[in-house]
Amino acid sequence: NAGVTQTPKFQVLKTGQSMTLQCAQDMNHEYMSWYRQDPGMGLRLIHYSVGAGITDQGEVPNGYNVSRSTTEDFPLRLLSAAPSQTSVYFCASSGTARGSYEQYFGPGTRLTVT
Amino acid sequence: GESVGLHLPTLSVQEGDNSIINCAYSNSASDYFIWYKQESGKGPQFIIDIRSNMDKRQGQRVTVLLNKTVKHLSLQIAATQPGDSAVYFCAEKKGGYQKVTFGTGTKLQVIP
Repeated sequence: NAGVTQTPKFQVLKTGQSMTLQCAQDMNHEYMSWYRQDPGMGLRLIHYSVGAGITDQGEVPNGYNVSRSTTEDFPLRLLSAAPSQTSVYFCASSGTARGSYEQYFGPGTRLTVT
Repeated sequence: GESVGLHLPTLSVQEGDNSIINCAYSNSASDYFIWYKQESGKGPQFIIDIRSNMDKRQGQRVTVLLNKTVKHLSLQIAATQPGDSAVYFCAEKKGGYQKVTFGTGTKLQVIP
């Protein structure tokens, strides 16, 4: 199993550009999430999905879109990049194992918006 | 609650000693508490979790203690090793899947 994979690892965008961050998992997990992590801070939830075709907003959803057409993939779209979106983005997935709440995180995408 | 800023609180521990990392949580309705370890340049890695109806849970070399009276969570690492050097985050979950809130984190430095 590859676990959770994310592409690209690094990206530089100009203000106003759009792009899609890719996330895939091969563990057949129902739940997937996107977080952003700013320097010296914890993770903040952007969007999440509880299954194919079902998504919802997290704590900081503005400026981002998601879709979940398959169980495996959960792409994050930046509609019009802004410098405030400079951050490290993590995708995570988890199943429904009883008695535990374990999320598996990808390696992250480091995004810089100039 | 945690302070927000660029400087993480740091705990320096001698190799072989026990480490205790503390976390204050804010929501008394949280039903799960989780500890994650994040090494430099990597994504967070699950360590251990505890349900709100428990006071203590043990894993391999780690123990999590939950004090609901004072809304305090701690992670104890026995016989700390250089590989334990990382940033440790506590997180709390309330209700549905989406209600996961991460703390700011504590940097653990292990001195050889």
